[in-house]
Amino acid sequence: KQEVTQIPAALSVPEGENLVLNCSFTDSAIYNLQWFRQDPGKGLTSLLLIQSSQREQTSGRLNASLDKSSGRSTLYIAASQPGDSATYLCAVMNYGGSQGNLIFGKGTKLSVKP
Amino acid sequence: GAGVSQSPSNKVTEKGKDVELRCDPISGHTALYWYRQRLGQGLEFLIYFQGNSAPDKSGLPSDRFSAERTGESVSTLTIQRTQQEDSAVYLCASMKGGRPDTQYFGPGTRLTVL
Repeated sequence: KQEVTQIPAALSVPEGENLVLNCSFTDSAIYNLQWFRQDPGKGLTSLLLIQSSQREQTSGRLNASLDKSSGRSTLYIAASQPGDSATYLCAVMNYGGSQGNLIFGKGTKLSVKP
Repeated sequence: GAGVSQSPSNKVTEKGKDVELRCDPISGHTALYWYRQRLGQGLEFLIYFQGNSAPDKSGLPSDRFSAERTGESVSTLTIQRTQQEDSAVYLCASMKGGRPDTQYFGPGTRLTVL
């Protein structure tokens, strides 16, 4: 059974710092991995999707890497801003799973202080 | 264009009552998912619809939970005889379908069972 773990559960940093969020998964037979941002009362926003054949994806100040063989992904946020404060969720889509449902970690709650 | 919408945004009900939650997916998206997020927990998959195929109900926690979708449009999730442990945010997501891709989430319905 696929399990997704995110470390740390919470992180507080001063504005301007670069930071890394970690995600690990137990079954490497994944189709893709997605990073989401969750803001209170606003649902989830997809940040980056990495297909299993890819090693990284970049969008603006965000960079996500994927090492499928070791079951790890990282989300790198450069020059953090207070507006980056949110909960960041990692989710994997398994091969042969429930036809595409995502399996989520519990998230990392990020607070960026001005 | 319009994103995924859900209604109501908040629902408070008494234990034992039935509730119905609604999801309007992005137009043209053939795949639709329901997830549940209980306080302090990760998102849990509930049910998946793909076009006119039989839904994948493998994530439904009990027979009190059911969902319907007419074609590729609106979906309703019904919880009968609600229990306090059903209190959660219920999230709906849609995906273009055809092959695994980004899932787009609605803002969720926060259900509180007293």
